[in-house]
Amino acid sequence: KAGVTQTPRYLIKTRGQQVTLSCSPISGHRSVSWYQQTPGQGLQFLFEYFSETQRNKGNFPGRFSGRQFSNSRSEMNVSTLELGDSALYLCASSPLNLQGGSGNTIYFGEGSWLTVV
Amino acid sequence: GEDVEQSLFLSVREGDSSVINCTYTDSSSTYLYWYKQEPGAGLQLLTYIFSNMDMKQDQRLTVLLNKKDKHLSLRIADTQTGDSAIYFCAEIVNRDDKIIFGKGTRLHILP
Repeated sequence: KAGVTQTPRYLIKTRGQQVTLSCSPISGHRSVSWYQQTPGQGLQFLFEYFSETQRNKGNFPGRFSGRQFSNSRSEMNVSTLELGDSALYLCASSPLNLQGGSGNTIYFGEGSWLTVV
Repeated sequence: GEDVEQSLFLSVREGDSSVINCTYTDSSSTYLYWYKQEPGAGLQLLTYIFSNMDMKQDQRLTVLLNKKDKHLSLRIADTQTGDSAIYFCAEIVNRDDKIIFGKGTRLHILP
């Protein structure tokens, strides 16, 4: 079956702009979570959506937001971009929410590379 | 707060075993994961272990969990050039319902 799909794969934005990234989870998966990966900070949890509701959020400013649609697809938005937002943004899907249950497995997409200039 | 620690680099000769270590702090963790990331790619789930298990084996991979010491290891038997990647340890923090990653261990294979 198809894996987690993220679009776009690469994009360049200028400071002050906003960006929307998209994530289509594995069919049947209801949880989508987002992560920011940078060389300095490593992988950091942004937020998780389950059944269209944000369940939890990492330590990021309000410029970072997201939503989930009824088909479980999710979008992440970053407004007023800063140079430090340049990163690989990864999306992951799982059948259950992150607290999960027996054998809950979390699968990642290939990521969206964002460069802010 | 919660933290996951890994050494940053490991060099191993082809054919030898690689052992990547990880320590975590949250005692309420239910699942611990190992992911592999190759250059320019996303994270590939390698294996996971439930906190009530001590060991899990899957082909060339062996995961050992010492819950008392909060120590997790990943052993790759017969390491091959295709194993060259960054390996991330991660835990689900049950209390906060989020996942915490280590900084990753870069595995370098020597000929």
